[in-house]
Amino acid sequence: SQKIEQNSEALNIQEGKTATLTCNYTNYSPAYLQWYRQDPGRGPVFLLLIRENEKEKRKERLKVTFDTTLKQSLFHITASQPADSATYLCALGVAGRRALTFGSGTRLQVQP
Amino acid sequence: DGGITQSPKYLFRKEGQNVTLSCEQNLNHDAMYWYRQDPGQGLRLIYYSQIVNDFQKGDIAEGYSVSREKKESFPLTVTSAQKNPTAFYLCASSTQTRGGSGRNQPQHFGDGTRLSIL
Repeated sequence: SQKIEQNSEALNIQEGKTATLTCNYTNYSPAYLQWYRQDPGRGPVFLLLIRENEKEKRKERLKVTFDTTLKQSLFHITASQPADSATYLCALGVAGRRALTFGSGTRLQVQP
Repeated sequence: DGGITQSPKYLFRKEGQNVTLSCEQNLNHDAMYWYRQDPGQGLRLIYYSQIVNDFQKGDIAEGYSVSREKKESFPLTVTSAQKNPTAFYLCASSTQTRGGSGRNQPQHFGDGTRLSIL
């Protein structure tokens, strides 16, 4: 069956460290992968999009990698800050489907 | 500022009642989407629309209905046939590529409507 797996346990890290979140998928062949941030009681906010032929994408303190062989994307936040605390969702854009398919998200908690 | 507005923020439904959730966007986006989010779960697609007067069922359309009479508006009705309607409902919009797919475009979300049963 098709699955998108993000770590359901919260990730707790110290301020200033690099946070790394994982998105694994099974039985999908996504052409695109997107990452979103969601704060409690709010809608998700788009962060980054990476295409299947791109290995890495960066935006300020954010970096996303996309390994279609491992069927995995890693999302990094360098020099993390307490304001980065939120839930981060990955979403796949797959052929034959005009809408995104979302994972359940990983909650990140950055301790001051 | 352009964006998506969902209303109301909180909504309560009585047994046997239909309720309608509003979603309006001023981003001039062609595509609009409705998702449902339950605690600890990802967003599940209810309905989506790529153009005015056209919409398609998503993964969990049963018990829901939509309309797309205007580009800016995509209301969702939760009917009495939806037996477990308590959830956080999110509306989103995006541009579309020439091929008509929104899967490679960022989605812009509203701040959701939380629906509960009385």
